[in-house]
Amino acid sequence: AQSVAQPEDQVNVAEGNPLTVKCTYSVSGNPYLFWYVQYPNRGLQFLLKYITGDNLVKGSYGFEAEFNKSQTSFHLKKPSALVSDSALYFCAVRAFGGGSYIPTFGRGTSLIVHP
Amino acid sequence: DTEVTQTPKHLVMGMTNKKSLKCEQHMGHRAMYWYKQKAKKPPELMFVYSYEKLSINESVPSRFSPECPNSSLLNLHLHALQPEDSALYLCASSPLDRADYGYTFGSGTRLTVV
Repeated sequence: AQSVAQPEDQVNVAEGNPLTVKCTYSVSGNPYLFWYVQYPNRGLQFLLKYITGDNLVKGSYGFEAEFNKSQTSFHLKKPSALVSDSALYFCAVRAFGGGSYIPTFGRGTSLIVHP
Repeated sequence: DTEVTQTPKHLVMGMTNKKSLKCEQHMGHRAMYWYKQKAKKPPELMFVYSYEKLSINESVPSRFSPECPNSSLLNLHLHALQPEDSALYLCASSPLDRADYGYTFGSGTRLTVV
């Protein structure tokens, strides 16, 4: 079975400061990891994914994420937060070879960027 | 065209009504999905279509009936819903139903059952 943990319900950061939204995962087999963002009254938008290769993945809107196999983590980062980054962020994992490609989503982390 | 379009954006229906949700994409994606999302919760998978065939039904009640008339269109037919079915219904598509592909989501239909 696969699982994703987002340990923080909410992250608060001041505009201009770096931000981190945490995600850890558990899978059997190689993980495929994703971050999505959801703005109010909208669907989820794909930010970035890790499939293989370089552990640092760059995505949309200046976001990046670091895959750490030993810590089974895939934290989302941005060097300088914007107020417009305030949204709900979901980490998701899909495992190859597990018999199902159904993604498992984390519970979501609400990011609030203060002016 | 890089969008998934869902209609209607909002729907209010009584428990005896029949209604349909529509989802359309023109990206050539061959996998399409229906998700249900409650407020501030992760989306829950309902159905997966791959090459216009239903491949996964996540034990969804029969009052929800999916249909995939062609590779660009996905419908969700609703009948005799319950108030607890009120939620945001999201459609998504992916080039293929494979683990290394992410989803493109629509903006959703906000459904209220009264």
